[in-house]
Amino acid sequence: AQSVTQPDIHITVSEGASLELRCNYSYGATPYLFWYVQSPGQGLQLLLKYFSGDTLVQGIKGFEAEFKRSQSSFNLRKPSVHWSDAAEYFCAVGRSNFGNEKLTFGTGTRLTIIP
Amino acid sequence: ETGVTQTPRHLVMGMTNKKSLKCEQHLGHNAMYWYKQSAKKPLELMFVYNFKEQTENNSVPSRFSPECPNSSHLFLHLHTLQPEDSALYLCASSQEDRDTDTQYFGPGTRLTVL
Repeated sequence: AQSVTQPDIHITVSEGASLELRCNYSYGATPYLFWYVQSPGQGLQLLLKYFSGDTLVQGIKGFEAEFKRSQSSFNLRKPSVHWSDAAEYFCAVGRSNFGNEKLTFGTGTRLTIIP
Repeated sequence: ETGVTQTPRHLVMGMTNKKSLKCEQHLGHNAMYWYKQSAKKPLELMFVYNFKEQTENNSVPSRFSPECPNSSHLFLHLHTLQPEDSALYLCASSQEDRDTDTQYFGPGTRLTVL
């Protein structure tokens, strides 16, 4: 069964500092990997996704993530965070089947930005 | 992102009430999903509909009853809920005829069961 681990429940960074959120996955084949962001009281917004090809993926809002097969990781990064980045971030892994894709989500990492 | 809308955004109901959550997607997708998001727990997939047919039910109690009249609309009918059913209910949609499906989420309905 596929699974996702986000080891950091809560991270606090200063505005302007760099950010890295960790995600480790378990999956028996080539995974489809996603990062979503959820602002308070809102649904999930897709930040970026990896299916194949270049292992460094660019997303919206200046985020990027790198797929490392040897480490089963898909960490999210941003070089300089803004106060508006405060939110909860979810990593997810999906099956690479044709048809009914089922996403498995991690428990999320809450990001707090301090001035 | 206004591709997936959900109503109402907030709902308070008693344990004996009957209510329905509505989801509508404007993306031309053919698959829709209900998720439950509780505090400190991963998102739980509840139901999946492909081309209006239910393809997945993750052991959800019968007090939750989904309905998908067409590929754009999805309902979740609620009856005799329990306080532990209080959560954020998220709807999502995707296009199921490609192997690079991505799910797009609505803003959710915050449900409180008294």
